[in-house]
Amino acid sequence: KAGVTQTPRYLIKTRGQQVTLSCSPISGHRSVSWYQQTPGQGLQFLFEYFSETQRNKGNFPGRFSGRQFSNSRSEMNVSTLELGDSALYLCASATGEWNNEQFFGPGTRLTVL
Amino acid sequence: DAKTTQPTSMDCAEGRAANLPCNHSTISGNEYVYWYRQIHSQGPQYIIHGLKNNETNEMASLIITEDRKSSTLILPHATLRDTAVYYCIVNLRGGSNYKLTFGKGTLLTVNP
Repeated sequence: KAGVTQTPRYLIKTRGQQVTLSCSPISGHRSVSWYQQTPGQGLQFLFEYFSETQRNKGNFPGRFSGRQFSNSRSEMNVSTLELGDSALYLCASATGEWNNEQFFGPGTRLTVL
Repeated sequence: DAKTTQPTSMDCAEGRAANLPCNHSTISGNEYVYWYRQIHSQGPQYIIHGLKNNETNEMASLIITEDRKSSTLILPHATLRDTAVYYCIVNLRGGSNYKLTFGKGTLLTVNP
């Protein structure tokens, strides 16, 4: 099976812009979670989608949003970018059923200038 | 806040067993212990999980104390490719709790 794929792998934006990141989960997986990783805060949970519905949410401002499509692919959007949004954004997929062994993608490295 | 405590770093000689400890004294009865690792510049990788019995898979063994307040991840024959940050996570399994809370983890360095 192909693993979790994320696009793009690297992205440079400027403050005030918005960005959309994409994640394709493992075939058959219905749960997609997003995480932000920074040197200062470590790995932090953003949100999780299951069957096109947001099921869990972390403590991030409303500038961070996401969605999931009927084929389980997911996108996350960050509006009005701030310098502090520079991070590695990781997507993880899971079956969504009675296990939460998550399989992570390689991440998207976002740099905000 | 993470519910686990791990040493910041550990060293291990190549070919020897690496034993990574984790304290989770506030674990509740229906919470599982999960281990993930993150090799530099890659996404985290699932290793193993357990509830109260010891578990083994092709990657590692997980030993959970009888009172479930601590556990040890064992890599039986560490290789240089096992150098990574290892995260011990306590979490409910399945349902609506697909949110992993990562702590700082343990940086394991395997030396030749």
